[in-house]
Amino acid sequence: DTEVTQTPKHLVMGMTNKKSLKCEQHMGHRAMYWYKQKAKKPPELMFVYSYEKLSINESVPSRFSPECPNSSLLNLHLHALQPEDSALYLCASSRVQTGQGAYEQYFGPGTRLTVT
Amino acid sequence: DQQVKQNSPSLSVQEGRISILNCDYTNSMFDYFLWYKKYPAEGPTFLISISSIKDKNEDGRFTVFLNKSAKHLSLHIVPSQPGDSAVYFCAASARAGGTSYGKLTFGQGTILTVHP
Repeated sequence: DTEVTQTPKHLVMGMTNKKSLKCEQHMGHRAMYWYKQKAKKPPELMFVYSYEKLSINESVPSRFSPECPNSSLLNLHLHALQPEDSALYLCASSRVQTGQGAYEQYFGPGTRLTVT
Repeated sequence: DQQVKQNSPSLSVQEGRISILNCDYTNSMFDYFLWYKKYPAEGPTFLISISSIKDKNEDGRFTVFLNKSAKHLSLHIVPSQPGDSAVYFCAASARAGGTSYGKLTFGQGTILTVHP
């Protein structure tokens, strides 16, 4: 099973709303990632969790708050977003990289977020 | 500063012929390279990868070539099939050093269209 699931598929929220995106994997991966993808652009890394601890924050604004409650789940809490935050938010998971090389990341289908 | 570049926004080939997708990188610390395929409204799907200690890796119809001196890699698809029509992203990962993580830097993507 190489599936990463994400809910919801689509989300429309106002600038004053609070919402959460959810991601789940059952591959036993201990690294999980949030990416943001704008139209016609490549995915851009936002956060990396390794063994349920935040290991990378790519200078993401604090209106995005990640959470990794356990090794299978990853959340992204959203608050006071701006219209320019509208994008496809992708979750991915992989084995934890140690030393040289990297393990392939498996992506979920994404949540299409629209901020009005 | 775009560290991974795919200079061809699109490529059109005939079914049965070879598709060659190219990717250049500038960061000499990159030591692992991956290709992903992405259909609309789906997350990227991992295709094939190559470590910097190799110059070729083959998996079925897909072969990735790495030229470290030129900082160039390419993906060959032979024979091309209409179902291969998608956006192809190359991605690169730098050695983590003492920290375990797997940050991927993506190119801009190339839209491949395979005509029947």
